Amino acid sequence: GAVVSQHPSRVICKSGTSVKIECRSLDFQATTMFWYRQFPKQSLMLMATSNEGSKATYEQGVEKDKFLINHASLTLSTLTVTSAHPEDSSFYICSARGAGGRADTQYFGPGTRLTVL
Amino acid sequence: EDKVVQSPLSLVVHEGDTVTLNCSYEVTNFRSLLWYKQEKKAPTFLFMLTSSGIEKKSGRLSSILDKKELFSILNITATQTGDSAVYLCARLTGANNLFFGTGTRLTVIP
Repeated sequence: GAVVSQHPSRVICKSGTSVKIECRSLDFQATTMFWYRQFPKQSLMLMATSNEGSKATYEQGVEKDKFLINHASLTLSTLTVTSAHPEDSSFYICSARGAGGRADTQYFGPGTRLTVL
Repeated sequence: EDKVVQSPLSLVVHEGDTVTLNCSYEVTNFRSLLWYKQEKKAPTFLFMLTSSGIEKKSGRLSSILDKKELFSILNITATQTGDSAVYLCARLTGANNLFFGTGTRLTVIP
């Protein structure tokens, strides 16, 4: 099946710094990418949906100025957590879907564990 | 408010047991319901259900949807330790996003 990668897999940073997470579709063109966060023992919560070349659509309650999403190409989306705080510590997972792709062709990355000290 | 509720939240069984995981949803403009298995990292796709009453099967796993009663079940027969994971169901929204349920953590002990 299709492969989606994320980098880094784990990051530890100090409070107040910004962290960038990359999501890449390795063998297909992802017109739509999704960013989720998952707290321990909880489910995946959709943060935002991004379409290549346009602004991301954020879910209610997600601060767009804090979680900057860029989907500049058909194979790369980035999530930047700006001025990170300990409460931003979480598991961030991206997923990607090709043009006209069905929901069962939405492939997930391996996730990035962010720890903010 | 749209909800996707899974039960039980967690389950511990012995190898060889059969388990049934439940997923109920509250939405009127239903499109599809999907099941995923999440071990430690990325969720992996299991099934997508769109039509009521049609069982989908893959090895020891099977799933079915009841659109009248707004629920789906995931069955795993002859469980193995490798089945230990969090099982997630997700509803496909009108915006073509996935809205995930609470998850069921399955632990299979030898």
